[in-house]
Amino acid sequence: NAGVTQTPKFQVLKTGQSMTLQCAQDMNHNSMYWYRQDPGMGLRLIYYSASEGTTDKGEVPNGYNVSRLNKREFSLRLESAAPSQTSVYFCASSEMMGNTIYFGEGSWLTVV
Amino acid sequence: DAKTTQPPSMDCAEGRAANLPCNHSTISGNEYVYWYRQIHSQGPQYIIHGLKNNETNEMASLIITEDRKSSTLILPHATLRDTAVYYCIVRVFGSSNTGKLIFGQGTTLQVKP
Repeated sequence: NAGVTQTPKFQVLKTGQSMTLQCAQDMNHNSMYWYRQDPGMGLRLIYYSASEGTTDKGEVPNGYNVSRLNKREFSLRLESAAPSQTSVYFCASSEMMGNTIYFGEGSWLTVV
Repeated sequence: DAKTTQPPSMDCAEGRAANLPCNHSTISGNEYVYWYRQIHSQGPQYIIHGLKNNETNEMASLIITEDRKSSTLILPHATLRDTAVYYCIVRVFGSSNTGKLIFGQGTTLQVKP
């Protein structure tokens, strides 16, 4: 039982490049989330998916897109990376919206 | 969600109980107290949560005062691997919650040999 798995763990991008962060959970959870964590800023919600087939914006959605591929997988895409998107990204899931949230190990993204 | 106040840092001797306090004087009746910890930039790890009764699981105990304005997380036998930043969060539990988690500055617990 791996919980929430994210790939890649580390990535360096040039400004303007695109990439997709992958996330999968094996807990049969309905809801999934993407957060970013900057030094001294705490966690900020980028997008969430309450259930398969739905996605909604969080606090800081600009510059990102998401896809809920199926119940297990929720990907985050940066279409044109900017240095301001340098951060640690965490995927998370919960059984339902508002229930206890469980986090992945994080993906360190640097945009130069 | 209600705001929480935690001491910025605490020390604890290995093998002793670590008692981490949290004040949440503006907590609403439908808000739960949650505790997470983050070890050296790993993903936040869920520890425990409760509404008004004391709770215990394999990781910790949560003691909530009768007026619910404060709580204490207890790690009964702290080990070096418990060194982490501990976050106390209050949030509504249920489908109305969008998943927004407000992590404050937390308490950095240093467990010493």
